[in-house]
Amino acid sequence: GDSVTQMEGPVTLSEEAFLTINCTYTATGYPSLFWYVQYPGEGLQLLLKATKADDKGSNKGFEATYRKETTSFHLEKGSVQVSDSAVYFCARGSQGNLIFGKGTKLSVKP
Amino acid sequence: SAVISQKPSRDICQRGTSLTIQCQVDSQVTMMFWYRQQPGQSLTLIATANQGSEATYESGFVIDKFPISRPNLTFSTLTVSNMSPEDSSIYLCSVRASGRNEQYFGPGTRLTVT
Repeated sequence: GDSVTQMEGPVTLSEEAFLTINCTYTATGYPSLFWYVQYPGEGLQLLLKATKADDKGSNKGFEATYRKETTSFHLEKGSVQVSDSAVYFCARGSQGNLIFGKGTKLSVKP
Repeated sequence: SAVISQKPSRDICQRGTSLTIQCQVDSQVTMMFWYRQQPGQSLTLIATANQGSEATYESGFVIDKFPISRPNLTFSTLTVSNMSPEDSSIYLCSVRASGRNEQYFGPGTRLTVT
């Protein structure tokens, strides 16, 4: 069935470090791909999305590119801040619903 | 994006009781969903709340345990029935507008069953 695999956390970085969180998806069809972020004690917020191959989603300095050839949608940010500390979820569309990865907890230290 | 509110934001309940969670959206939406997020885990879809008809449940979830109502296009409720400690989770509602493929989530209801 449809699935999403993302790198295990937790990830701990120093402020201004480069961030990559890997995400791969099962390649049935051409799903829309999403990154959601969950700050402590809050619900999920849509961070960015891409709907077709080679699309790049971007928001708040985060970017992810829809790579059909590698079935990947890795999240990147060039310089993380303490305020980016959260859990990040990769998701793919599936028959009108969403399939989520297990989430990656990011902690950014000052 | 839609503004979604949930009530209650959190609750502590005793084993064997039931809790009804409300989800209110500030605009009419086609699709509403209910998810469960167990401690430290990802999100699992419980059901799709259908306006005017019975909800569509995912494998492993049944109507007797999680009855859902959706009386109109802006409101839905999820009841967690005959609760046990294993039901301790965050319950989130989400919405998807017609013609869109992203979902927007409410703030969640944090349920603890003792």
